[in-house]
Amino acid sequence: GAGVSQSPSNKVTEKGKDVELRCDPISGHTALYWYRQSLGQGLEFLIYFQGNSAPDKSGLPSDRFSAERTGGSVSTLTIQRTQQEDSAVYLCASSLGGVDTQYFGPGTRLTVL
Amino acid sequence: AQKITQTQPGMFVQEKEAVTLDCTYDTSDPSYGLFWYKQPSSGEMIFLIYQGSYDQQNATEGRYSLNFQKARKSANLVISASQLGDSAMYFCAMREGLDTGNQFYFGTGTSLTVIP
Repeated sequence: GAGVSQSPSNKVTEKGKDVELRCDPISGHTALYWYRQSLGQGLEFLIYFQGNSAPDKSGLPSDRFSAERTGGSVSTLTIQRTQQEDSAVYLCASSLGGVDTQYFGPGTRLTVL
Repeated sequence: AQKITQTQPGMFVQEKEAVTLDCTYDTSDPSYGLFWYKQPSSGEMIFLIYQGSYDQQNATEGRYSLNFQKARKSANLVISASQLGDSAMYFCAMREGLDTGNQFYFGTGTSLTVIP
C-alpha cells in the first residue's frame, strides 16, 4: 500500500507570503503528526491529530502556524506571513494507533527568501 | 531535562564491523516505547526498530538490535556487519504512554559514516 505522501516536495516563497503544506497519511491511520527539521538538526514536534481533532498544539512556534485535518485523512499545515526562520523541512508522519510506530513522509523543503 | 539524549554527534565504522549508537531516555511513565529511525541524505525518516517498556527481550530486526537496559534508561542501537548504505543520520525517539497520538520525543541524532 501507499506510504505517507507530502506535497509539494519543495516550496520556495517570499517573506511575508502564506504557504500551505499537505500531508496524505497512510490509509486507516488515525494519528497524524507534523514536525519541523531545520538544517542539521533533530525533529521539532509541531502538532498531532487524533482523527480530526488536535489535542496537542503545544509545539506550534507562533500563531502564524495553524493546521487542520479533514475526514480523518488529509492534513494541511498553513504558515502565514512566512519568515526566513521558517525555512526548514516539514515532515509529516502517521500511525495506526495504540503503541504503533510512526511512518514518515518524504517531507516538504520550505525556503523563505 | 532532555527526554532523549544522543551523545555521539558523529561516528565512523569500518565496513563489515559492528557499531553501537548510544541513546538514553528520561521518563517517569512506566509505559513507553522506544524507536530508532534512519535518515539518509535523501531526507526520508525510515523506521528501523521498536522496543516496548514491558518487553522482556531486546528487539531485533535483521542487522539491527536494540540493547535495552531499563534500569539505566538506555536503548542503544547495534548495527552488525555495517554496509556502505548504512551511512546516514540515526535518531532515537520515545513515546510516553500507550495512548494513540502521544507526542514523540526525538534525540538530536548521530551521523554514522561507514568507511570502505
